[in-house]
Amino acid sequence: GENVEQHPSTLSVQEGDSAVIKCTYSDSASNYFPWYKQELGKGPQLIIDIRSNVGEKKDQRIAVTLNKTAKHFSLHITETQPEDSAVYFCAASNNAGNMLTFGGGTRLMVKP
Amino acid sequence: DVKVTQSSRYLVKRTGEKVFLECVQDMDHENMFWYRQDPGLGLRLIYFSYDVKMKEKGDIPEGYSVSREKKERFSLILESASTNQTSMYLCASSWAGSTDTQYFGPGTRLTVL
Repeated sequence: GENVEQHPSTLSVQEGDSAVIKCTYSDSASNYFPWYKQELGKGPQLIIDIRSNVGEKKDQRIAVTLNKTAKHFSLHITETQPEDSAVYFCAASNNAGNMLTFGGGTRLMVKP
Repeated sequence: DVKVTQSSRYLVKRTGEKVFLECVQDMDHENMFWYRQDPGLGLRLIYFSYDVKMKEKGDIPEGYSVSREKKERFSLILESASTNQTSMYLCASSWAGSTDTQYFGPGTRLTVL
């Protein structure tokens, strides 16, 4: 089955700096890669996703890049703000079974 | 607004007890999921249901069962709770298809003593 690895497990940045979280996946059939953000006391919420037919997608301060050859994808957050502090999860899916496989999560701390 | 609710935010049970975790969604979603969240391990799928009375095992189904008698409600059952089932349990729902957004509930923190 699919295996998704996520790094780093914790990331501390200064407000205004950029943050990058990286994930690798094992199943070359995977073609959908969402990112979820989990704030304290809440369930994860989708923030951005990318499909295998594109290499990059942006939404304001967040962007995701995908390298299918290397089987890795990354989340980029620019101009970080304290409200970006949360746990971020990457995931992968191959459309075959309605299921997502999640990475281990990254705790991002943005220091004011 | 999309809403997934879970019956309890915190639950404390004793070893050997039967535990029911309830999840209700108000979006008429076909798919419902139960995940377990542990530090460093991310979200691991326990069971998934794609229709009423239908279910599929996820990655870690051992020690758990599920019930979906109505479309909006998905229950996770621990037949005989054990201390290694102490964890955060998250319910989610989505439209049919694996590329549809999953909407999560706030989670239930279960402690088994």
